[in-house]
Amino acid sequence: GESVGLHLPTLSVQEGDNSIINCAYSNSASDYFIWYKQESGKGPQFIIDIRSNMDKRQGQRVTVLLNKTVKHLSLQIAATQPGDSAVYFCAEKAGYALNFGKGTSLLVTP
Amino acid sequence: DTAVSQTPKYLVTQMGNDKSIKCEQNLGHDTMYWYKQDSKKFLKIMFSYNNKELIINETVPNRFSPKSPDKAHLNLHINSLELGDSAVYFCASSQGLAGGDEQFFGPGTRLTVL
Repeated sequence: GESVGLHLPTLSVQEGDNSIINCAYSNSASDYFIWYKQESGKGPQFIIDIRSNMDKRQGQRVTVLLNKTVKHLSLQIAATQPGDSAVYFCAEKAGYALNFGKGTSLLVTP
Repeated sequence: DTAVSQTPKYLVTQMGNDKSIKCEQNLGHDTMYWYKQDSKKFLKIMFSYNNKELIINETVPNRFSPKSPDKAHLNLHINSLELGDSAVYFCASSQGLAGGDEQFFGPGTRLTVL
């Protein structure tokens, strides 16, 4: 069936570097995408979203890029900090619910 | 001032038992959800209620029964618990069902079935 997936299960970056987390989706009808951050022992927390009529959206230290041609989504985190260590999920709005990808674990080393 | 709260946070029980997990949101949202997160961190929708009406009922065993006494609460009752039910269960809420309605998640309930 159609699904949302992630290219890399784990990503290790040094503090201060930029991080890029990638996600591929297969449902070409999806028109809304979200990135969530999940810290250990907590629920997912909204980071940033993007609609299919956009190809880029920026937040505070985060940028989401959407390439509908290749059905690819990425999350860029600038100047990664230790507090950014978490599992990151991309999700697409599928009907009334969110269809989550498998998650990428981001580890920030000093 | 917790937005979405769940009780209990941890639940350890024997196979065959019946248990409930409670969820409450104080955001005034109309829509609530239950998600299951397995040991590989995969999150999957189970149910969704909008204004106390069941909207989404994914392929979930009928041992799982959601109950929404009012818009602020969505409880999950599980009968005849099985080993495979062990997971973290997350409640979430959103203003409505529209694409831009952000979903707020609770802290999760870790269920361990022995």
